Amino acid sequence: KAGVTQTPRYLIKTRGQQVTLSCSPISGHRSVSWYQQTPGQGLQFLFEYFSETQRNKGNFPGRFSGRQFSNSRSEMNVSTLELGDSALYLCASSPISIQGGEQYFGPGTRLTVT
Amino acid sequence: GIQVEQSPPDLILQEGANSTLRCNFSDSVNNLQWFHQNPWGQLINLFYIPSGTKQNGRLSATTVATERYSLLYISSSQTTDSGVYFCAALTSGGSYIPTFGRGTSLIVHP
Repeated sequence: KAGVTQTPRYLIKTRGQQVTLSCSPISGHRSVSWYQQTPGQGLQFLFEYFSETQRNKGNFPGRFSGRQFSNSRSEMNVSTLELGDSALYLCASSPISIQGGEQYFGPGTRLTVT
Repeated sequence: GIQVEQSPPDLILQEGANSTLRCNFSDSVNNLQWFHQNPWGQLINLFYIPSGTKQNGRLSATTVATERYSLLYISSSQTTDSGVYFCAALTSGGSYIPTFGRGTSLIVHP
């Protein structure tokens, strides 16, 4: 089976712009979660989607949003980018949910905000 | 929420040495995973181990859920083992928010 894929792998944006990141889960996996990794805060949970519905959300402002499509692919959007949004954004997929089993991570999208 | 602490934060070894990494968590968990993050940022699954012991080649892990800790053992370390090792826990009650430790940075010298 192909692993989790994320696009794009690298992105440079300007403060105030918005960005959309994409994640394709492992075939058959229905849960997709998103994480932000920064040197200062470490790995932090953003949100989880299952069957096109957001199930859980971490402690991030409303500028961070996401959605999931019927084929389980997911997108994450960050509006009004700030310098502090520069980070590695990781997507993970699970067969059922993060509560019930293993997560498998994609290679990440490295976002730089200038 | 649940607190996850990893130790040591940094570890430097010579090739061939053995090591033990520790993950303490503050609440009961029903999901615990160990990951290895390579220099390119990819998180690689090592173990899904909410309880018990598992082995995979030179690596093994043990979680003692009642005492709220997990251990990752690396034997006969190789330079390719270098990277950052994370544990991630999800509590069995309350919010379903996975929490990662800050990681153990491992450098293995040839």
